[in-house]
Amino acid sequence: EDQVTQSPEALRLQEGESSSLNCSYTVSGLRGLFWYRQDPGKGPEFLFTLYSAGEEKEKERLKATLTKKESFLHITAPKPEDSATYLCAVHTSGSARQLTFGSGTQLTVLP
Amino acid sequence: SQTIHQWPATLVQPVGSPLSLECTVEGTSNPNLYWYRQAAGRGLQLLFYSVGIGQISSEVPQNLSASRPQDRQFILSSKKLLLSDSGFYLCAWSGLENIQYFGAGTRLSVL
Repeated sequence: EDQVTQSPEALRLQEGESSSLNCSYTVSGLRGLFWYRQDPGKGPEFLFTLYSAGEEKEKERLKATLTKKESFLHITAPKPEDSATYLCAVHTSGSARQLTFGSGTQLTVLP
Repeated sequence: SQTIHQWPATLVQPVGSPLSLECTVEGTSNPNLYWYRQAAGRGLQLLFYSVGIGQISSEVPQNLSASRPQDRQFILSSKKLLLSDSGFYLCAWSGLENIQYFGAGTRLSVL
């Protein structure tokens, strides 16, 4: 069974304090790893897709990286508007088109 | 560009009443469609997905059902709601890249 674990569950940062969120996975045949941002009471917003170990993607203050066992979402000099829950999900060879989601990391950036 | 509409945004229903949540997608043809439920502080649980009109796959045995009467319309239903059906329901669509794009969600409270 595919498993996705995100850590930490919650993270509080001061504005400008860089950090990383972790997404570790145990799957059979990774076909893609996805990062989403979710604001309270809203649907998840797509951020990145990573397909192979060593791949990196960047968007503004966010950078996602992928290894064979985990992915990191690095947040550089965060601002209060980066506060949200960040979800990762995996697509595997045994799951048709379904994604398996982690429970998310709730990020709070204090001014 | 593609957009996904989901309504209503909020719903309060008594136990034993029926349910109908609707989701429509614009700007794409033959999308894959998904219904998820998200409990507070938890990840997304896939309930149903559909690869075409009338084709529904159920992931979790439960009190709910789904239908796809038109190419870009996906409906989540129940004949009799239970307290445990309360939650945040999300509709999503994906195309060839298998990136899932989510609607704004419906907050369902069963009292």
